Formats: sequence, C-alpha cells, structure tokens
Amino acid sequence: SQQGEEDPQALSIQEGENATMNCSYKTSINNLQWYRQNSGRGLVHLILIRSNEREKHSGRLRVTLDTSKKSSSLLITASRAADTASYFCATDANGNNRLAFGKGNQVVVIP
Amino acid sequence: KAGVTQTPRYLIKTRGQQVTLSCSPISGHRSVSWYQQTPGQGLQFLFEYFSETQRNKGNFPGRFSGRQFSNSRSEMNVSTLELGDSALYLCASSLTPLLGGPGDQPQHFGDGTRLSIL
Repeated sequence: SQQGEEDPQALSIQEGENATMNCSYKTSINNLQWYRQNSGRGLVHLILIRSNEREKHSGRLRVTLDTSKKSSSLLITASRAADTASYFCATDANGNNRLAFGKGNQVVVIP
Repeated sequence: KAGVTQTPRYLIKTRGQQVTLSCSPISGHRSVSWYQQTPGQGLQFLFEYFSETQRNKGNFPGRFSGRQFSNSRSEMNVSTLELGDSALYLCASSLTPLLGGPGDQPQHFGDGTRLSIL
C-alpha cells in the first residue's frame, strides 16, 4: 500500500491566512519529507523531518511529526499567492530504498 | 550550480513506439531516481541508479528500463508504448544514497518530460 496520504485534498485560502495540511502513513518510517510542486514543474524539497524529531521549522513552514499516530502536518503561515501549488509528503517506506509519495494537497492562495 | 536537467520537455509518440528520456543530475550527485506521475496514480517510483547500478526497482513492467552512465547521467527507456504510459516522468538526484536509501536526504527534481501517447 502507498505510504503518505495527505488530507485535505484541496484548500483555498486568502492571502495572509495560514494553511494546514496533514499526511498519514501506515508503517514505521525513518524520515518524512514535504515537497511542493508548481503546475507543470518538478518537485521542490521543503523539509525533511526524522523519526526522532517532533517539530521542524523553515521560514514560514512548520512541520510536525507524530510517530505514535503515524501522521505529519505542514503549516504555511501568512500565505502568499506564490504558495499556490500542490504539496506532497513522502516517506521511506520500510527502508525499501525508495520514496513513497502521497496523492498531494492542492493549495490555492487568493490574492 | 545547475539543477537537474531533463530532456526533452515534451514528447508525443504513438502506441507501439519506444522512447528514451534523459536526465542530467546536479554536478556531484551520483544517485538518480525516476518517477512516473499521473493524475490517477500520483507519483510512483520507477527505479534508482547509483554508480551505474540499479539499486531498486518499482512495480513496473519490463518495458520500462533505465541505465546510468559513468558521469551519472541517466536514461530511461519505455518500449512498446501504451496509452496508459502517458504521464509526466520525473528524475531526481541526490548526493549519495545512504544506508536508508533516498529517504535519508532531499531529492532534487528536474521539471520532467511530459510524454503523450496517441
């Protein structure tokens, strides 16, 4: 089964608001990563959080990881129109030397 | 530093043909992974190469193959194309795969090759 399932699937917010999206996974992981993809482009790495970490920040991004609930969340604070994109979480599925991606969250920030 | 470069950006083929896609990783990166992205299935792992060796392969038929050259550039080939092969094919590179594989470090993606099968 595919690891990483984001929730909600689509989110539309006003510029300046915060956006939160969640990701759940089914089996144990070593790391979880978040990526952004703008329309028609490749994925851009945002944050990597290891299984022994609970929270990580990068600029306006905040990622949490709850290994007991097998879930992670990505928070974008003070959103901007340029944050409009799809956001994916990815996990190292059982150490199989591959990244398993979720279906992605589409975020639209309205100016 | 130049990013990951994929060529061509767009490709149109017909059923039964074959296609070769190219990926040049970031200079110094020795690990290259390939993914297929479709609206229905999302991002699916195809294979990973390191030092010219395939380290891992996803659940794709044998029509999908790849290779890596000594300069770390990689190609993937799809033979006997089917309509369902229409997708965005993404390549990603990283410095080296650590013990845990690509999950241990960020993957740097190219902008992909959009393959359309008629």
